[in-house]
Amino acid sequence: SQKIEQNSEALNIQEGKTATLTCNYTNYSPAYLQWYRQDPGRGPVFLLLIRENEKEKRKERLKVTFDTTLKQSLFHITASQPADSATYLCALDRNSGYALNFGKGTSLLVTP
Amino acid sequence: DADVTQTPRNRITKTGKRIMLECSQTKGHDRMYWYRQDPGLGLRLIYYSFDVKDINKGEISDGYSVSRQAQAKFSLSLESAIPNQTALYFCATSRSLLGQETQYFGPGTRLLVL
Repeated sequence: SQKIEQNSEALNIQEGKTATLTCNYTNYSPAYLQWYRQDPGRGPVFLLLIRENEKEKRKERLKVTFDTTLKQSLFHITASQPADSATYLCALDRNSGYALNFGKGTSLLVTP
Repeated sequence: DADVTQTPRNRITKTGKRIMLECSQTKGHDRMYWYRQDPGLGLRLIYYSFDVKDINKGEISDGYSVSRQAQAKFSLSLESAIPNQTALYFCATSRSLLGQETQYFGPGTRLLVL
């Protein structure tokens, strides 16, 4: 069955450093991969989408890579700030339409 | 005003009761989704609708039903609520247009079944 794995342990980093989050998947050939941010008690908010034929995507301090051979995506936040503290979810298309399958998310805590 | 709204935001009900969660959107999207989120289990898809006449089951549809009353409205019903349906429920929307597959989520409904 299709599986998405994100680090279950929280990532704690110091302000100003680069945070790197990992999303691995198995039994998938996704056409694209997305990253969302979720704050406690709130709905996820879309951040970035990367397609299977793209290696890297950037948006301000955010960078996403997509390696279809390794079946892995890396999500980077450079010059991290305490306001970046949240849970980050990766999501893949379900190969049968545009419904998404979400990973369980990784919690990021940026300390001053 | 929020593009995707959910009502109620919080609900406490008893086992065996029928309840309905409602979702409305002003984004003009044709696709709508219902998810539930539980600690440690992440977001799981309950039902999704690609247009008013197209309803599809997700991975955990048992015990739930939906109604797509209009393009802008998608309701989730629990016919006979049970305690393990206690969760945070999210509605989401998206466009059926290549390159615009991102989903937009509502604020969530926190449901407690006693």
